[in-house]
Amino acid sequence: AQSVTQPDIHITVSEGASLELRCNYSYGATPYLFWYVQSPGQGLQLLLKYFSGDTLVQGIKGFEAEFKRSQSSFNLRKPSVHWSDAAEYFCAVALLNFNKFYFGSGTKLNVKP
Amino acid sequence: EAQVTQNPRYLITVTGKKLTVTCSQNMNHEYMSWYRQDPGLGLRQIYYSMNVEVTDKGDVPEGYKVSRKEKRNFPLILESPSPNQTSLYFCASSFEVNTEAFFGQGTRLTVV
Repeated sequence: AQSVTQPDIHITVSEGASLELRCNYSYGATPYLFWYVQSPGQGLQLLLKYFSGDTLVQGIKGFEAEFKRSQSSFNLRKPSVHWSDAAEYFCAVALLNFNKFYFGSGTKLNVKP
Repeated sequence: EAQVTQNPRYLITVTGKKLTVTCSQNMNHEYMSWYRQDPGLGLRQIYYSMNVEVTDKGDVPEGYKVSRKEKRNFPLILESPSPNQTSLYFCASSFEVNTEAFFGQGTRLTVV
């Protein structure tokens, strides 16, 4: 079945530590890939996206993500986490041929002082 | 200001009482969609619309209806709500399915 998998439901990191959130997808072709962030009580905001080209993409708030075709992964990273990064993060894919959009189940990030 | 506006933000209703959640965008976006968010399941697409009068089912369309009579509006209709439709609902819009989506603030619906 086609899917977007975020294997980590919750992650806790200390402020200032590095962060990596995992995302794997299972689709036949390379989809359009996104990371969104949802702060408590808010809608979703786009962090970054990958369509083609350079496999390392930069986003807002100091986030970056790397597309690895061989691993069907699109992991999100940040070198140094800030307390304001505490939120839920969603990986998503768009399938242009089907005009559909799929989200992973999300990873909730807690940041320890 | 570019935005997607949903109303109401909170709604408690009884089983079987028809309701409509409105969604409006001011960015002239072609693509609009509705999602429901449930714990542990992320966001699941209910319906989407490619343009005026063009709508199609997402992954979880049962029990929902939509319409797209104007480009800016995309209401979600629950003809006969049931408790399993208790959820957090988001409307989103974008130029195309593969471009940045802008989300509304969400509607928390409780069906008792």
